[in-house]
Amino acid sequence: AQSVAQPEDQVNVAEGNPLTVKCTYSVSGNPYLFWYVQYPNRGLQFLLKYITGDNLVKGSYGFEAEFNKSQTSFHLKKPSALVSDSALYFCAVRDRNYGNNRLAFGKGNQVVVIP
Amino acid sequence: GAGVSQTPSNKVTEKGKYVELRCDPISGHTALYWYRQSLGQGPEFLIYFQGTGAADDSGLPNDRFFAVRPEGSVSTLKIQRTERGDSAVYLCASSPQPTGWDEQFFGPGTRLTVL
Repeated sequence: AQSVAQPEDQVNVAEGNPLTVKCTYSVSGNPYLFWYVQYPNRGLQFLLKYITGDNLVKGSYGFEAEFNKSQTSFHLKKPSALVSDSALYFCAVRDRNYGNNRLAFGKGNQVVVIP
Repeated sequence: GAGVSQTPSNKVTEKGKYVELRCDPISGHTALYWYRQSLGQGPEFLIYFQGTGAADDSGLPNDRFFAVRPEGSVSTLKIQRTERGDSAVYLCASSPQPTGWDEQFFGPGTRLTVL
C-alpha cells in the first residue's frame, strides 16, 4: 500500500518569509514523490518530483523539496514566499516496487501568504 | 501546446440518472488516468489506461462506474444510476509513457453535482 500524510490543514506565512509545507509518506518499497499545486477552479499543476539521486530537488517557481528516507518525508520549501503562492498544495507518492502507475495523494495543505 | 481538456466543466444531474464525462489527453500521451476529488480531500485514483486498455481499474468504487478509451486517445468516464455520494470533481490526467516517474498532467476537472 502507499499513502501520504499532510498533517497541517493550513499554513500561514508572511510575504517574504520562508515557506514549508510538510509531507510524510508510506510505501512498502522505494518511492517516487511529487508535489502539485492547485489554484481555484484550475487543475493540478506539477511543481517537482523526486526519482533518485540528489535528495534536494528544485522545481518550478522557486520551490524545492528535500527527500529524507529515514524520516520518510518530502517537505516542500520556498525561501521567500509571495502572495501569489497562496494555493492548495498536494504531495503524492508512487511505490516504484508496486507495479502500478497510480498516485496516492495527501489531503492537501492550504497555503495563505499574508501581504 | 494544448493541455488536457475535460468536458463538461460542470454537470448537474438528478439521482438515478446516467452521466458521461469526457477527457481529451495531451496529444501523443499513451497513459491516461481518472481521479475523483471530494471536497477537502486529495485526488483519489479511479482507473488507468495504457493505450486502449484499462491497465488498472481497481480504484473504481463499484460497477456503476465504467470508463473507455476506444482509440487510445479520448476517454469517457460513465456513471450509471448516479447517487448523491458521487458528487465530486472528476479529474483526468495523462502522461507520455507509463513509467512511474513521469509526472502526470491534469485537466481542469468536471464538477459533478447529483441532486
